[in-house]
Amino acid sequence: AQSVTQLGSHVSVSEGALVLLRCNYSSSVPPYLFWYVQYPNQGLQLLLKYTSAATLVKGINGFEAEFKKSETSFHLTKPSAHMSDAAEYFCAVSVHRDDKIIFGKGTRLHILP
Amino acid sequence: NAGVTQTPKFRILKIGQSMTLQCTQDMNHNYMYWYRQDPGMGLKLIYYSVGAGITDKGEVPNGYNVSRSTTEDFPLRLELAAPSQTSVYFCASRRHNMNTEAFFGQGTRLTVV
Repeated sequence: AQSVTQLGSHVSVSEGALVLLRCNYSSSVPPYLFWYVQYPNQGLQLLLKYTSAATLVKGINGFEAEFKKSETSFHLTKPSAHMSDAAEYFCAVSVHRDDKIIFGKGTRLHILP
Repeated sequence: NAGVTQTPKFRILKIGQSMTLQCTQDMNHNYMYWYRQDPGMGLKLIYYSVGAGITDKGEVPNGYNVSRSTTEDFPLRLELAAPSQTSVYFCASRRHNMNTEAFFGQGTRLTVV
């Protein structure tokens, strides 16, 4: 069965600094990978997804992620953090012929002024 | 286009009471999911459905039931509420089980006292 592990339940960065949120996956078949963002008291919305095309995926709000098969990773980055990026971020995995989407435990991103 | 709509947004239940969380989507998606979100635990899959008349258990189905009589609706039933079911519940849908993302509702915050 597939799974994802997000390293760090809380990450703090200064405004303008690089954002790096880590996600490692486990899957016996090629995965589809997703990053979602959740703002307070809201549902989840998609930031970006990897679907076996380009390994570097660009998403909304300046975020991007790179699929690295050798490292089984799909880390999320943004060159310069904004205060509005403060939220909880979830990595998720799905595979062909399996109907489920499995989520990680989430990383709460704090932006320091 | 409303997307995924959940009702109610908030509810307080007494131990032993029952209730139904409503979820409807207007995107003609075949796949629908119920997750619960607890602090620090990410999203846990309760039940899912791949089409009308078809449902299956997720990771944490105990204490819940679902039905899928139409493509649009996927209600979640709690028969005998327990304090352990205090959580935020999210419904989601997606078009198919390959490289498509899930769309989420705004959530239902349930407290069992």
